[in-house]
Amino acid sequence: EDQVTQSPEALRLQEGESSSLNCSYTVSGLRGLFWYRQDPGKGPEFLFTLYSAGEEKEKERLKATLTKKESFLHITAPKPEDSATYLCAVQAQGGSEKLVFGKGTKLTVNP
Amino acid sequence: GAVVSQHPSRVICKSGTSVKIECRSLDFQATTMFWYRQFPKQSLMLMATSNEGSKATYEQGVEKDKFLINHASLTLSTLTVTSAHPEDSSFYICSASEGPPSYNSPLHFGNGTRLTVT
Repeated sequence: EDQVTQSPEALRLQEGESSSLNCSYTVSGLRGLFWYRQDPGKGPEFLFTLYSAGEEKEKERLKATLTKKESFLHITAPKPEDSATYLCAVQAQGGSEKLVFGKGTKLTVNP
Repeated sequence: GAVVSQHPSRVICKSGTSVKIECRSLDFQATTMFWYRQFPKQSLMLMATSNEGSKATYEQGVEKDKFLINHASLTLSTLTVTSAHPEDSSFYICSASEGPPSYNSPLHFGNGTRLTVT
């Protein structure tokens, strides 16, 4: 069964304090790994897709990396507006289009 | 970018009544839409995959007679929660992509519907 585990569950940072979020996964052949940002009471907002080990994607203060067993979302010099829950999801090979999500990491950035 | 609109954003209903939630892709055609359910501090759980013009595919444990899905056009899918009970109270979110979720067509989500059954 495909599984996604995110850690930590919650993370508090001071503005400017860089850190990383972890997404460990087990999947029967990875087709894609997705990162989303979710604000309270809203639907997830797409951030990145990664497809193969060694791949990296960047967007503003965020950088996502991928290995064969996990992905990291690095946040450099975060700002309070980066506060949100970050969700990781995997899509397995084999025809099904569904995404399996982790529980997310709730990030709070204090000014 | 691609926009998915979901309506209503909040609904409160009495136990035993039915509630319909609409999901629209505003600027693209979605052959496939997905319905998720999210409990507090839990991950998004896929309920069903909705394909335009055909029957939805439900995940194991999801009652198809309780959660009716209709994907009547390439831009509209609806989820009807029939005979709602308090345990159906949750955050329901729809999503869509122009094709299989991939680099060129990631899954885009609506803003969700908070259902409260009293």
